Amino acid sequence: TQLLEQSPQFLSIQEGENLTVYCNSSSVFSSLQWYRQEPGEGPVLLVTVVTGGEVKKLKRLTFQFGDARKDSSLHITAAQPGDTGLYLCAGRRPSNTGKLIFGQGTTLQVKP
Amino acid sequence: NAGVTQTPKFQVLKTGQSMTLQCAQDMNHNSMYWYRQDPGMGLRLIYYSASEGTTDKGEVPNGYNVSRLNKREFSLRLESAAPSQTSVYFCASRRQGAGEKLFFGSGTQLSVL
Repeated sequence: TQLLEQSPQFLSIQEGENLTVYCNSSSVFSSLQWYRQEPGEGPVLLVTVVTGGEVKKLKRLTFQFGDARKDSSLHITAAQPGDTGLYLCAGRRPSNTGKLIFGQGTTLQVKP
Repeated sequence: NAGVTQTPKFQVLKTGQSMTLQCAQDMNHNSMYWYRQDPGMGLRLIYYSASEGTTDKGEVPNGYNVSRLNKREFSLRLESAAPSQTSVYFCASRRQGAGEKLFFGSGTQLSVL
């Protein structure tokens, strides 16, 4: 079973639409990260959230950490073709220093 | 600024063959990691090394061995490759005390026939 469940797994939208990707768990995490990965490359960190209820913005991307630190969401406003890629959430359990657990990823395609 | 360098980029093996995936980082990071990525599974941790001279198992260590040769290099060895080890392998590093950010290499695509 996946400790971090991402939904949806695939998303195909038109340019200009808004979307939200969810990352859910029944376990508490000391921090949660979002990475973006392009074909043929390794993931690149977008943001880290560490406090329950925390909201961070990165241009058109808004990241939120759940109050109970068990879930997170990524919202993209007015998606652009350049947002196309694989989005991965990753969490660090309080008891597992040094180990990062990844969700299964959300593949986003934004059509012009 | 090379960051994390992985070699080779592509490899095809026959079942039972052995090989070593190489990883080196030039950022003076303490921690290094090996992940495998399979469709619909995200990234799964194989082994990690918190510092030079130490290694620890991750979620899926069976069939793999690692060596932290020095602070820069962390290699992953498949002693007897199996088709189930067909995957994309990523090496990553992290600086201790610098938060949570992982820096990834560009991956090795391995096919075991």
